[in-house]
Amino acid sequence: DTAVSQTPKYLVTQMGNDKSIKCEQNLGHDTMYWYKQDSKKFLKIMFSYNNKELIINETVPNRFSPKSPDKAHLNLHINSLELGDSAVYFCASSPVPGEKLFFGSGTQLSVL
Amino acid sequence: GQNIDQPTEMTATEGAIVQINCTYQTSGFNGLFWYQQHAGEAPTFLSYNVLDGLEEKGRFSSFLSRSKGYSYLLLKELQMKDSASYLCAVRSPTDSWGKLQFGAGTQVVVTP
Repeated sequence: DTAVSQTPKYLVTQMGNDKSIKCEQNLGHDTMYWYKQDSKKFLKIMFSYNNKELIINETVPNRFSPKSPDKAHLNLHINSLELGDSAVYFCASSPVPGEKLFFGSGTQLSVL
Repeated sequence: GQNIDQPTEMTATEGAIVQINCTYQTSGFNGLFWYQQHAGEAPTFLSYNVLDGLEEKGRFSSFLSRSKGYSYLLLKELQMKDSASYLCAVRSPTDSWGKLQFGAGTQVVVTP
């Protein structure tokens, strides 16, 4: 069983569209994250939830909206996609905030 | 602010030793992680240091000097499968929810 699974693995879409990425973890962790890895391979935190509560919200355009229906799920919805949103988005989880991260396999988003 | 520096790329021969340095200047410090990321895959945890000194785990060791803002990851008996990017990440104090700040990664190329 995959510990942290995210879908889809690849997402190709046009500018201006709205898309969602889903993430689920079966590790029983309290904390989940969204990270963005750009073409220069910088891995940057976007959001973190602890027990469904938002605890980290970096300077991210409000076109990005995370949702955590329960502590095992953290989804990312992106409105009005722009070219600069093209990147790999990683979901991750940890037992508690700041502990070792377990990453999903990533979603390669390409905005055309 | 946070500044984390690592070399962009290092090349070494199979069976050799490589040392990847990471220097950091951060507004707070509560531990340092090393992650390995193979091309097209998710990062995976390698090591964690919060106190000064050397942590050894098989062929990989990690060292930390908090006073110098310096860490290194030592890879011994290099194997071809060790070709990957190695990411240094500094954890913020707990009042920042232990947020991780990643360096840009060091691409290690192992040659036969």
